[in-house]
Amino acid sequence: AQSVTQLGSHVSVSEGALVLLRCNYSSSVPPYLFWYVQYPNQGLQLLLKYTTGATLVKGINGFEAEFKKSETSFHLTKPSAHMSDAAEYFCAVRNSGNTPLVFGKGTRLSVIA
Amino acid sequence: SAVISQKPSRDICQRGTSLTIQCQVDSQVTMMFWYRQQPGQSLTLIATANQGSEATYESGFVIDKFPISRPNLTFSTLTVSNMSPEDSSIYLCSVSPEGQFFGPGTRLTVL
Repeated sequence: AQSVTQLGSHVSVSEGALVLLRCNYSSSVPPYLFWYVQYPNQGLQLLLKYTTGATLVKGINGFEAEFKKSETSFHLTKPSAHMSDAAEYFCAVRNSGNTPLVFGKGTRLSVIA
Repeated sequence: SAVISQKPSRDICQRGTSLTIQCQVDSQVTMMFWYRQQPGQSLTLIATANQGSEATYESGFVIDKFPISRPNLTFSTLTVSNMSPEDSSIYLCSVSPEGQFFGPGTRLTVL
């Protein structure tokens, strides 16, 4: 069975600092990996995804993530945090296009001025 | 990418009543997935709905409580039956093969 572990339910960074949100997955087959952002009282927005090919994936709002098979990780990074990045971030995994996503528990990102 | 809409966007309901949530897609899709997001929590899969067959429910979710219909390849409904305050959540649908996109969700509050 697939599973996703997000280390740290709450991460706090200063404005302008590096953002690093950790995600490790468990999957018996090559995974499809996703990061979503959810702003307060809003729906899910897809930040980026990895399916095949280049392991460094660039997404919206300056975020990127790197798929590391040897570490079963898909950490999300952003070089410089902005106040508008404060939100809940979810990592998710699935096996194929016809299977549902399995979500991690989420990480709440706070950005301090 | 598929465009997914849901109705209603939000509702406030009384304990013991039922609410049916609709999910409409602008293209034909193989599978539709229903998720629940309880307050402050992550998303949990309720069930997978295939057209022409019974929905497949995840552990902890039963058909009597969450009946699902899938009458065609672009539409599905999820009913939350005999509601209690613990059912207060956001309910979201997603579709396959565009499984990474979600509808806007239905925010349900049960009093």
